[in-house]
Amino acid sequence: AQTVTQSQPEMSVQEAETVTLSCTYDTSESDYYLFWYKQPPSRQMILVIRQEAYKQQNATENRFSVNFQKAAKSFSLKISDSQLGDAAMYFCAYRKANTNAGKSTFGDGTTLTVKP
Amino acid sequence: DAGVIQSPRHEVTEMGQEVTLRCKPISGHNSLFWYRQTMMRGLELLIYFNNNVPIDDSGMPEDRFSAKMPNASFSTLKIQPSEPRDSAVYFCASSRALGQFFGPGTRLTVL
Repeated sequence: AQTVTQSQPEMSVQEAETVTLSCTYDTSESDYYLFWYKQPPSRQMILVIRQEAYKQQNATENRFSVNFQKAAKSFSLKISDSQLGDAAMYFCAYRKANTNAGKSTFGDGTTLTVKP
Repeated sequence: DAGVIQSPRHEVTEMGQEVTLRCKPISGHNSLFWYRQTMMRGLELLIYFNNNVPIDDSGMPEDRFSAKMPNASFSTLKIQPSEPRDSAVYFCASSRALGQFFGPGTRLTVL
């Protein structure tokens, strides 16, 4: 079974600084997708960024980027120029490719605090 | 598109009562997921549907929980009878390809 591990329950960063959230996963599959979701205090989960395992290039979305290390099964999220609105819980998720239903496995989350 | 719509947003009920949570997925999405989130257990997948058919309900805690998806635009999660330990935030999410889109959640409190 696939597992997703986020080893940092809590992280904090100073506004305008850069922070990296860690995620590791375990799978025997070669083709899969990885995601980072953000859950702000409003509770609604928002997809931040995704990575296809077959792509070597790391995904980037504005201030959010990932460091995907397939051999190490590591998928960290880097937030540059942190803003107060980035404060949230962040979930890493894995999904096997070639599945019709799109079931994802989520990590336990990392709570990010942004200090002004 | 309005996104995934859930109702009600908040529900407070007494132990033993039936609770029905509703979800309208994003139009065109063929997968629908029900999650439960608590401080103790985090985010748990309860059940998911593909093309209105339940694919995996192994996350449903017990027989008191049931879910239906009568058509592509509507799903319900029912708890009967409800218990205090069912208090949680219940999320519905839908997906077409990559990534899931979550609704705002229903905060359920069972007294």
